Amino acid sequence: AQSVAQPEDQVNVAEGNPLTVKCTYSVSGNPYLFWYVQYPNRGLQFLLKYITGDNLVKGSYGFEAEFNKSQTSFHLKKPSALVSDSALYFCAVSYGQGYSTLTFGKGTMLLVSP
Amino acid sequence: DTAVSQTPKYLVTQMGNDKSIKCEQNLGHDTMYWYKQDSKKFLKIMFSYNNKELIINETVPNRFSPKSPDKAHLNLHINSLELGDSAVYFCASSQNQGMNTEAFFGQGTRLTVV
Repeated sequence: AQSVAQPEDQVNVAEGNPLTVKCTYSVSGNPYLFWYVQYPNRGLQFLLKYITGDNLVKGSYGFEAEFNKSQTSFHLKKPSALVSDSALYFCAVSYGQGYSTLTFGKGTMLLVSP
Repeated sequence: DTAVSQTPKYLVTQMGNDKSIKCEQNLGHDTMYWYKQDSKKFLKIMFSYNNKELIINETVPNRFSPKSPDKAHLNLHINSLELGDSAVYFCASSQNQGMNTEAFFGQGTRLTVV
């Protein structure tokens, strides 16, 4: 079975500081990993994905994520947080027999204080 | 110009009623999805269609019936609504059904059954 774990319900960081939102995964075979962000009362927005190749993936709004196969992790990072980054972040893994089904983690609320 | 749009945004209805949620995407994508987000923000796939054909049906009660009149539309009809159906329902689309393809989400329909 494929699964994604986001161990933190909430991450608090001060504006200007680096942020990390953690994600670990469990899949059979090669993982396809995604990060999405959900702002209040909005749908999910795609941030970035790892398919293959370079372990450091860059995405929207200055976010990046590092794929670590040995630790089965795909942590989301940003060098300098903004108050406007405050939102709910979802890690997801794609699985299926040739077709895509996203399995999402439970979400991590990121709160950036001024 | 909204990429994935769903209507209505809010839906309040009584138990036992039948209701529909409509979804349209103007991205030219082949694949569309319905996801359910519960009160704890947990996201789970319900259905997936590729070029109007059902490819995923994830143990959803048969009171839920998706319909895809063309590949740009995927509607969700729910019969005999129950209190437990209260949730936010997200429509999404992706370019194709490949596992490495990101999904684009609508803004969601908040369904409240009273």
